[in-house]
Amino acid sequence: KNQVEQSPQSLIILEGKNCTLQCNYTVSPFSNLRWYKQDTGRGPVSLTIMTFSENTKSNGRYTATLDADTKQSSLHITASQLSDSASYICVVSARNNAGNMLTFGGGTRLMVKP
Amino acid sequence: SAVISQKPSRDICQRGTSLTIQCQVDSQVTMMFWYRQQPGQSLTLIATANQGSEATYESGFVIDKFPISRPNLTFSTLTVSNMSPEDSSIYLCSVEGRVNTEAFFGQGTRLTVV
Repeated sequence: KNQVEQSPQSLIILEGKNCTLQCNYTVSPFSNLRWYKQDTGRGPVSLTIMTFSENTKSNGRYTATLDADTKQSSLHITASQLSDSASYICVVSARNNAGNMLTFGGGTRLMVKP
Repeated sequence: SAVISQKPSRDICQRGTSLTIQCQVDSQVTMMFWYRQQPGQSLTLIATANQGSEATYESGFVIDKFPISRPNLTFSTLTVSNMSPEDSSIYLCSVEGRVNTEAFFGQGTRLTVV
């Protein structure tokens, strides 16, 4: 069964600090891994998407890594801002005849405090 | 990218009634997806809606409870029928970009059943 596990479930950090969110997956056949940011009351918004051959990808202060051998990914947030307070969802895509099948992690709820 | 307009953004409904959620995309897409996100949880796929054919429902979701229409390549509706308080959730529609691109989400409909 395809699964995506995220840790920690929730995290509180002070503004300006860095943090790293983890994602472990067992999804096959792997197509790509995505990180989304979901503000309260809003739909998820894409941060990064990585295929099998990509080890790292950055989007501003967000840097995602992917280790396809160990099936792990991380999302590193640098110099956090209050607006980074949100849920971060790791989503792994498997490719089948019908198209992309997405498996969602449970999310990490991040709170950045002043 | 795709811009998705979803409405209503929120509603409070009486139990036993039905609510229809609309999703409009600014480009033609083959498949549209409907998700449910219960409080504090990640997203769960309800069904996949292809234009010109019946929607494909995931385990635990049935057409009588969540009828879906897909009259053309830019529009879909999801109806939550005979609502109970357990149906209180955020409902989101989504489309996929090309292969290996990210999914795009509407802003969600926050449904409260009283």
